[in-house]
Amino acid sequence: QKEVEQDPGPLSVPEGAIVSLNCTYSNSAFQYFMWYRQYSRKGPELLMYTYSSGNKEDGRFTAQVDKSSKYISLFIRDSQPSDSATYLCATQAGTALIFGKGTTLSVSS
Amino acid sequence: DARVTQTPRHKVTEMGQEVTMRCQPILGHNTVFWYRQTMMQGLELLAYFRNRAPLDDSGMPKDRFSAEMPDATLATLKIQPSEPRDSAVYFCASALGTGNEKLFFGSGTQLSVL
Repeated sequence: QKEVEQDPGPLSVPEGAIVSLNCTYSNSAFQYFMWYRQYSRKGPELLMYTYSSGNKEDGRFTAQVDKSSKYISLFIRDSQPSDSATYLCATQAGTALIFGKGTTLSVSS
Repeated sequence: DARVTQTPRHKVTEMGQEVTMRCQPILGHNTVFWYRQTMMQGLELLAYFRNRAPLDDSGMPKDRFSAEMPDATLATLKIQPSEPRDSAVYFCASALGTGNEKLFFGSGTQLSVL
């Protein structure tokens, strides 16, 4: 079992939809959780960063961590075509990050 | 606008040739990572450095890959000899090295080994 599992999709939604992206992780010692967004032919860029359990909101984006079930979620409200990208969850193991394989999202106008 | 710079952006080479990829981390960042991305495996950590010293290179095939930081503004990843299975996008990322790492990625080097 990989340390971080993520459904690769693809996920296609109409503009304005609420999107839910999810990951599971295996090591209960992980404390820091991130979501990166990667546009085609670009490097990943940090979108959200959370510590331990709970929710964090930033505009249309909400990151949620449930440590009891080892579940990480990213919610996008009022999705826009510009949100079309690959979303990667990540957790920190020591200094380096371990990434999920990414979920490809397409938002149609 | 601080960013990680990687060269070349694209590289096509033949099996057996040497490939060198370069990375300029963000000024002031003391931790540098090399990742490889493929459709099958996703992003895999190859190696990382702190203050130019290698901390972990367990993700690299040692017989053909080598990573160095000649100085604080340059990191290199070398493959010799290259093989078709090395075809992937190679990303460099840098971080401040505070322990709660927020990585900043370059745009990657797309490597194709024929």
